[in-house]
Amino acid sequence: GAVVSQHPSWVICKSGTSVKIECRSLDFQATTMFWYRQFPKQSLMLMATSNEGSKATYEQGVEKDKFLINHASLTLSTLTVTSAHPEDSSFYICSARDLTGGSYNEQFFGPGTRLTVL
Amino acid sequence: TQLLEQSPQFLSIQEGENLTVYCNSSSVFSSLQWYRQEPGEGPVLLVTVVTGGEVKKLKRLTFQFGDARKDSSLHITAAQPGDTGLYLCAGPLDGGGADGLTFGKGTHLIIQP
Repeated sequence: GAVVSQHPSWVICKSGTSVKIECRSLDFQATTMFWYRQFPKQSLMLMATSNEGSKATYEQGVEKDKFLINHASLTLSTLTVTSAHPEDSSFYICSARDLTGGSYNEQFFGPGTRLTVL
Repeated sequence: TQLLEQSPQFLSIQEGENLTVYCNSSSVFSSLQWYRQEPGEGPVLLVTVVTGGEVKKLKRLTFQFGDARKDSSLHITAAQPGDTGLYLCAGPLDGGGADGLTFGKGTHLIIQP
């Protein structure tokens, strides 16, 4: 149980284009999903909290107009990197909380999406 | 922002040896999680500790939560090459239960055959 998938697993795009990344909870419903970014040799940094049916909450320093988040259903959240630039190249990872599991604030992570902007 | 400091950052030992990884903070956490991450993959949850002084065992891995809930440790007995990976501790970003996680910088562990 508690499986989270991401698509695509990797993407290469040209500077200035937009890229959409999908995060799905496969065997549970997630009212809250989280998006993290991980640069090489560094740890995960929370970018935003995605709430089903409402606006996402962004961490300080993360541009909400650049990183568009849509949580349209209880099993799907999407992150769109708009007008991507080389400095946006990173490993993007989503997570979801399975509130039925009874465990405290445990999050289950997707396999990540490697974004490379040329 | 609550910070988690992990040590050591890098550790390379021989198969069969024991090791301990530490996760420390000046703040109190309602819970701490330990994750393991392989290159190019997302973190995989190993354990959650909630109660001060709690000890949890997962085969050869022993996790402990400090009495004051400010620190945690991961002890591996008789390490094996399959234990190689990045070990991350994490806790609720703002101390509560509904937030995203703040992560330590991780411990890169290499177990040599």
